[in-house]
Amino acid sequence: SQQGEEDPQALSIQEGENATMNCSYKTSINNLQWYRQNSGRGLVHLILIRSNEREKHSGRLRVTLDTSKKSSSLLITASRAADTASYFCATDAVKGAQKLVFGQGTRLTINP
Amino acid sequence: DAGITQSPRHKVTETGTPVTLRCHQTENHRYMYWYRQDPGHGLRLIHYSYGVKDTDKGEVSDGYSVSRSKTEDFLLTLESATSSQTSVYFCATSDWNQETQYFGPGTRLLVL
Repeated sequence: SQQGEEDPQALSIQEGENATMNCSYKTSINNLQWYRQNSGRGLVHLILIRSNEREKHSGRLRVTLDTSKKSSSLLITASRAADTASYFCATDAVKGAQKLVFGQGTRLTINP
Repeated sequence: DAGITQSPRHKVTETGTPVTLRCHQTENHRYMYWYRQDPGHGLRLIHYSYGVKDTDKGEVSDGYSVSRSKTEDFLLTLESATSSQTSVYFCATSDWNQETQYFGPGTRLLVL
């Protein structure tokens, strides 16, 4: 079964608004990552947050991690049409195995 | 995309035929992975490799085999293709000191 589950499955907002996606997972982790996938393309790594971190920023991205609730959120501020993509969280459920378990993703649409 | 190519990019085949997909990387990364992506399931790990000739099963390995005779190449074989193996297949790589993965562009496989 999937380790990570994203919510919502789909999100549609106006350009310039903020977009928030959530990820829940089931077991202890060392880190959690977020990836983006544009239509018809491979996944691209966005940001990694470690289990001892609570918040991390990268440009217009802000990621939070709450290990007590086993959840993470990805905030994209001031959205642009180019942010239209699917976003996946991934967790390393098995330490040292270099394996990731991906959620089902959130499909984000930015309307001009 | 960290120099990852997949071939073929598209393939149509018939049930019962063997199919081999190739992943080639130029980054000298130690780890390589094969995933399949299906609607409603996100990405699921099929097999992965942690070195030349060292491979292990993932979540959905039945009906698939892999081989890695060189660092740069990771082959995925569908021994006898079935319609349930119609999917988009992604290869990914990571290095020994990295938690992030780099993805290829994907192969669309249709089994009739």
